[in-house]
Amino acid sequence: QVQLLESGPGLVKPSETLSLTCTVSGGSISNDYWSWVRQPPGKGLEWIGYIYYSGNTNYNPSLKSRVTISVDKSKNQFSLRLNSVTAADTAVYYCARMTYCSGGSCYPGGFFDSWGQGTLGTVPS
Amino acid sequence: QSVLTQPPSVSGAPGQRVTVSCTGSSSNIGAGYGVHWYQQLPGTAPKLLIYGNNNRPSGVPDRFSGSKSDTSASLAITGLQAEDEADYYCQSYDSSLSGVVFGGGTKLTVL
Repeated sequence: QVQLLESGPGLVKPSETLSLTCTVSGGSISNDYWSWVRQPPGKGLEWIGYIYYSGNTNYNPSLKSRVTISVDKSKNQFSLRLNSVTAADTAVYYCARMTYCSGGSCYPGGFFDSWGQGTLGTVPS
Repeated sequence: QSVLTQPPSVSGAPGQRVTVSCTGSSSNIGAGYGVHWYQQLPGTAPKLLIYGNNNRPSGVPDRFSGSKSDTSASLAITGLQAEDEADYYCQSYDSSLSGVVFGGGTKLTVL
């Protein structure tokens, strides 16, 4: 079973860039989609975006102008950069593996079958 | 406001059956995209509970089941147990937004 672990600075100043890395173990980062999802304190889940191992990306339209997701196959890692952060970006950030097929069937749009433990990113107001 | 609408909370006594609804539209659930459900226990990461409308990953008890009809989906939990107390989220894909969408989440309380 693949395991994911987020890492990165927990505190970021307003207007600066939040940078997080997800390390994948127990499997290769190749041939899969990798995603970031965040959860503000006491609130629900918000999809940020995903990247295919080849480098193709898709971002949440509401965050697209500020988000970059990249992949480093040599390190089995993928990363998130969120620019110009404000207090509204304070959240637990999860990395997750996104898949489209399981049990012999495929589902356009995908779903998340493995999650990291999450890391809190705080932007003081 | 979430693209997929869930009730904020549901509750039930041990042993009972509860359902959590997830209402979408013609650009997501109604367009034929799969509905997937996640369980988030307090202080932990979400866990895949149901995928592809009604399929359980290995290890998920058969007390959990999913269904889908038109622009809505439901998660049913039978034989409610104290350990089922958690937040539940539905997820799909929206063609108008060209991206993944989540419901706002439902807090299940076991009385």
